[in-house]
Amino acid sequence: DAEITQSPRHKITETGRQVTLACHQTWNHNNMFWYRQDLGHGLRLIHYSYGVQDTNKGEVSDGYSVSRSNTEDLPLTLESAASSQTSVYFCASSESTGMNTEAFFGQGTRLTVV
Amino acid sequence: GQQLNQSPQSMFIQEGEDVSMNCTSSSIFNTWLWYKQDPGEGPVLLIALYKAGELTSNGRLTAQFGITRKDSFLNISASIPSDVGIYFCAGLRGSQGNLIFGKGTKLSVKP
Repeated sequence: DAEITQSPRHKITETGRQVTLACHQTWNHNNMFWYRQDLGHGLRLIHYSYGVQDTNKGEVSDGYSVSRSNTEDLPLTLESAASSQTSVYFCASSESTGMNTEAFFGQGTRLTVV
Repeated sequence: GQQLNQSPQSMFIQEGEDVSMNCTSSSIFNTWLWYKQDPGEGPVLLIALYKAGELTSNGRLTAQFGITRKDSFLNISASIPSDVGIYFCAGLRGSQGNLIFGKGTKLSVKP
């Protein structure tokens, strides 16, 4: 069965370290997204990609970067982790056009920056 | 930025009761989606709506796409304990998958 997986599920890192969260989907979807979820804020879009070599900034992109070298993967990098980036991160993917625009989510990565 | 106003923020209900929650926006959306999130898990899609006025059911769940395209509601009939979780609405303006999410409705069900 096609799926979307995130790794690691839990991560503790120190302030100032570079951290990369992995997202891999086997749906062959063109669209991929990274969200962060914080109490009181719901899901906020960090970065998104509509295809290979395409990346775009979302609502809360400062301090984060992504790259899209193939269809299946969209790794999220925190260049220099800060305590404000402690959060639960969700990756999602969806079809590019037409009626099938539903996004499917991974199980999340809980990141703690100490 | 764009916002979806989702209400209520939380609900405490008795098992067997019906539940209603809604989302409103000042902007028009082409697609409305409803997700459920269990603790420690990612959101799971419940219902997708694509046409203004559309009413769609999924078991005990019913959702409608408002005629003005600026709102949607989700009803859950005869709630059961496993309905507990956070329900999110999400709207899509264009044909690409850049969703705007509401802040969620946390549902608690007393047996």
